[in-house]
Amino acid sequence: NAGVTQTPKFQVLKTGQSMTLQCAQDMNHNSMYWYRQDPGMGLRLIYYSASEGTTDKGEVPNGYNVSRLNKREFSLRLESAAPSQTSVYFCASSFSREVNEKLFFGSGTQLSVL
Amino acid sequence: EDQVTQSPEALRLQEGESSSLNCSYTVSGLRGLFWYRQDPGKGPEFLFTLYSAGEEKEKERLKATLTKKESFLHITAPKPEDSATYLCAAPQRGYQKVTFGIGTKLQVIP
Repeated sequence: NAGVTQTPKFQVLKTGQSMTLQCAQDMNHNSMYWYRQDPGMGLRLIYYSASEGTTDKGEVPNGYNVSRLNKREFSLRLESAAPSQTSVYFCASSFSREVNEKLFFGSGTQLSVL
Repeated sequence: EDQVTQSPEALRLQEGESSSLNCSYTVSGLRGLFWYRQDPGKGPEFLFTLYSAGEEKEKERLKATLTKKESFLHITAPKPEDSATYLCAAPQRGYQKVTFGIGTKLQVIP
């Protein structure tokens, strides 16, 4: 039982390059999330998908797009990477869309934008 | 604005030396208070959810408590394997908004 799987684990981009972070969960969860974690700041929500077929903006959506490909997979795309997007990105899932539902996190992607 | 503040930012304990981590929150209409553990290079791992003042939950050497304004994570006789960053989080008023604290980095020395 893998839980939440993210790829890649590490990535270095040049300013202006694009990339997609992949996330898949095998727990039959309905809701999925993308967070970023920066030093001195708490986890911040970028985008979420309450259920298959829906996506919504979180706190810091600018510069990102998402796709809920199916119930298992939720990808995050950086169309034109900027140094301010250097961060650790975490995908998470939960069984339901309730805000007090516990989250299951992947192991993260460390992204550096030069 | 809803806020979650954790203290101390870092804590160094000798093995067996009990202590507490603090999480204070200003969230209207609290609908739960989460504690997560995060190991280096890993994602956060769920520990507890507390729903109402006076509630307590335990797991091995950890006990979480909740008052109307803050939560404590008590660590009794910690071991080196308890070394991690402990995150506190609270759902905000509104849909799908959870505010995370910065965390307390705990180091337990043998």
